[in-house]
Amino acid sequence: GAGVSQSPRYKVAKRGQDVALRCDPISGHVSLFWYQQALGQGPEFLTYFQNEAQLDKSGLPSDRFFAERPEGSVSTLKIQRTQQEDSAVYLCASSPLVGGGETQYFGPGTRLLVL
Amino acid sequence: AQKVTQAQTEISVVEKEDVTLDCVYETRDTTYYLFWYKQPPSGELVFLIRRNSFDEQNEISGRYSWNFQKSTSSFNFTITASQVVDSAVYFCALSEPFTYGQNFVFGPGTRLSVLP
Repeated sequence: GAGVSQSPRYKVAKRGQDVALRCDPISGHVSLFWYQQALGQGPEFLTYFQNEAQLDKSGLPSDRFFAERPEGSVSTLKIQRTQQEDSAVYLCASSPLVGGGETQYFGPGTRLLVL
Repeated sequence: AQKVTQAQTEISVVEKEDVTLDCVYETRDTTYYLFWYKQPPSGELVFLIRRNSFDEQNEISGRYSWNFQKSTSSFNFTITASQVVDSAVYFCALSEPFTYGQNFVFGPGTRLSVLP
């Protein structure tokens, strides 16, 4: 497809369960971002990849959150031992170039509900 | 530090009315970029516009127009002759060009409801 895709679109997890969220960026895009969007709020930055290198993970809320992009394309955001406060929409975005100021193109998000 | 404020939480208008969504930003940098995104009920953020800090010329795209004023640190978005399909949450965002990673700061969004 031409756009950013994410899977699953919806995920319900029991508290304490591990989850993995997948992002397929636009082909050839160098930069990949993960955001967390709580209900009624704007997206908040989690982490950034330039190709396979994770250059910024300052937004990850705890060490239960882990992201990877091993081959510089598909990325996975993993949340271990999920908590209710992890319930949110997780958005992935990609951009063709490196550097701030570049337009980011977003996927549809994965809506995570932790019970 | 960067900050984006969208003071209007929710706006309701009747179809064909004009509506302006406000965005006020804070940054210490002289070079920066401003964005507007639309988030329809489907959830995907749709890119609308990107402006750099050196270009204050207002822009019009169909029914959409943007008014960038550095003097008031504002980047307002106007929809002319609104339509039901314009109903969505609209986000204003700010970024700095010489950083990467945590360089996108979003406002809290304005929920626009266009009633038939």
